[in-house]
Amino acid sequence: DVKVTQSSRYLVKRTGEKVFLECVQDMDHENMFWYRQDPGLGLRLIYFSYDVKMKEKGDIPEGYSVSREKKERFSLILESASTNQTSMYLCASSPRGRQGLNGYTFGSGTRLTVV
Amino acid sequence: QQQVKQSPQSLIVQKGGISIINCAYENTAFDYFPWYQQFPGKGPALLIAIRPDVSEKKEGRFTISFNKSAKQFSLHIMDSQPGDSATYFCAARDAGNNRKLIWGLGTSLAVNP
Repeated sequence: DVKVTQSSRYLVKRTGEKVFLECVQDMDHENMFWYRQDPGLGLRLIYFSYDVKMKEKGDIPEGYSVSREKKERFSLILESASTNQTSMYLCASSPRGRQGLNGYTFGSGTRLTVV
Repeated sequence: QQQVKQSPQSLIVQKGGISIINCAYENTAFDYFPWYQQFPGKGPALLIAIRPDVSEKKEGRFTISFNKSAKQFSLHIMDSQPGDSATYFCAARDAGNNRKLIWGLGTSLAVNP
């Protein structure tokens, strides 16, 4: 069963900490995405990557960075966590050239609380 | 500015009834329209999708109706079941912007037994 695995289901961090959220996919997908999901705001794209070592800003990149050193792994980094980054973070992947057509495969999410 | 407008925000339906969720868009560069289903504690999963050259697509109890001239599309769930209770997201792929998916804000569906 193919899947996207996010390293933590729940995470509690202190304000100002550097936070790493890890995502691994086993489908050999080229495209990977990081979203945050908040009630009433839907899914908002933070960053995405179409290939190893490349990244592009999404709609809300401020306060975040990403790393993609290997095809299967896409990391989201909160440089200095703040309380307004408390959210559900979702990682997704999709194959190249058919972006969206085969659907995005999402992980189960990481619920991050910043205190 | 929400590029894909989804309504209603929440919906309560009796078992056996029809659930209808609507989405509207303006951008004519959108070329693919998927619906995702999300259960609590899970990520969204692709449910059904349609291309704009088709007016309707049916998969089991789920049907997408697409009106290209009105720039609207909708999800119909026939014979709704309590197991259909979930959040539903419509989306549109923007062929003019790296083929990114643009998401609606979601509809929380509750099907009463």
